[in-house]
Amino acid sequence: GAVVSQHPSWVICKSGTSVKIECRSLDFQATTMFWYRQFPKQSLMLMATSNEGSKATYEQGVEKDKFLINHASLTLSTLTVTSAHPEDSSFYICSARGASGSTGSEQYFGPGTRLTVT
Amino acid sequence: EDQVTQSPEALRLQEGESSSLNCSYTVSGLRGLFWYRQDPGKGPEFLFTLYSAGEEKEKERLKATLTKKESFLHITAPKPEDSATYLCAVHLGSGNTGKLIFGQGTTLQVKP
Repeated sequence: GAVVSQHPSWVICKSGTSVKIECRSLDFQATTMFWYRQFPKQSLMLMATSNEGSKATYEQGVEKDKFLINHASLTLSTLTVTSAHPEDSSFYICSARGASGSTGSEQYFGPGTRLTVT
Repeated sequence: EDQVTQSPEALRLQEGESSSLNCSYTVSGLRGLFWYRQDPGKGPEFLFTLYSAGEEKEKERLKATLTKKESFLHITAPKPEDSATYLCAVHLGSGNTGKLIFGQGTTLQVKP
């Protein structure tokens, strides 16, 4: 149980274009989803937290107009990187947490999406 | 400031050589400490959650313990397949606003 999927697993896009990454909880309802970014040989950095049906809460230093997050349902959240630049190239990982009593307070992570901006 | 520090940064062991990874934290309002395993190019895989000092949890060759200031991940008689980066994270906040703060990780390499 507690499986989270991401799509695509990798994407290459040209500088200036936008790319959308999907995160789905497959066997539980995710009341909260999180988006992280991980640079090579570094740990996970939280970008934003989103609760179903409400606006995402962004961490300090993360541009909300550049990284658009939509959590439209209890099983789907999307991250759109707008006007991507080479410095946005990174490994993007989502995680999901269910309602209290379902998955507990644990966060379950997706497999990640490797974004390369050329 | 809430902070999570893992040590060592990297650890090389021979197969069968037991050791421990450390995660020290200075946070206010700890709601849980988590251990994850991450393989290269993959998302973190959940291992353990610890909630209170003195708590211990085991899974195969791994045992996690928690004190008021730190957590240890003990690896007994490791095998090459245990090679990975082990991440520690603390759960802060409450309800749906709670979030995880990660340490930098310990990269473990077990040689046959």
